[in-house]
Amino acid sequence: KNEVEQSPQNLTAQEGEFITINCSYSVGISALHWLQQHPGGGIVSLFMLSSGKKKHGRLIATINIQEKHSSLHITASHPRDSAVYICAVGRSQFYFGTGTSLTVIP
Amino acid sequence: GAGVSQSPSNKVTEKGKDVELRCDPISGHTALYWYRQSLGQGLEFLIYFQGNSAPDKSGLPSDRFSAERTGGSVSTLTIQRTQQEDSAVYLCASSLVGPSPFSNQPQHFGDGTRLSIL
Repeated sequence: KNEVEQSPQNLTAQEGEFITINCSYSVGISALHWLQQHPGGGIVSLFMLSSGKKKHGRLIATINIQEKHSSLHITASHPRDSAVYICAVGRSQFYFGTGTSLTVIP
Repeated sequence: GAGVSQSPSNKVTEKGKDVELRCDPISGHTALYWYRQSLGQGLEFLIYFQGNSAPDKSGLPSDRFSAERTGGSVSTLTIQRTQQEDSAVYLCASSLVGPSPFSNQPQHFGDGTRLSIL
């Protein structure tokens, strides 16, 4: 069993759509991270959460510690949002989800 | 350059050779992380450093893998007697230290070293 499960695995959306990516985890954590990996391979840290909700531009991340679940939302999606979104959790180790590959079509 | 720097960017070597990968973190970042991403697979945690010490080495795939960090800055990941399954992109990240290694500090990733074992 993977410590971190993401869904969906692949997602195609029309430009402007509201997108949700889900992450469930089974281990105790200090924080949950959402990462973005572009087709060229570069990885960018989007959010770190230990509780509640964070917003950055069109991106919103929420976490429910009791349910061990987090969601990443993208409002008014754009083709430049096309990337792999990775959920990761950690305390003394770091566990990664397998990623959600998002394609936003113009 | 203010970002995390990794070298070489690409490395092709024959099976059985030793390789050394280098990571130069952002100045002032005391935490440093090594990850691996095999083709078509997800990210895998290898090891992290708090300053020069690595509290947990259990993520290293085998005893052929070792890592060190000196002076609280540059880190090297060494793979001895490389095998074909070692082929992957090796990523390094650094961050300011938080209350625990993967807590509330953003990690800044390098561009990775693409290692190919023939």
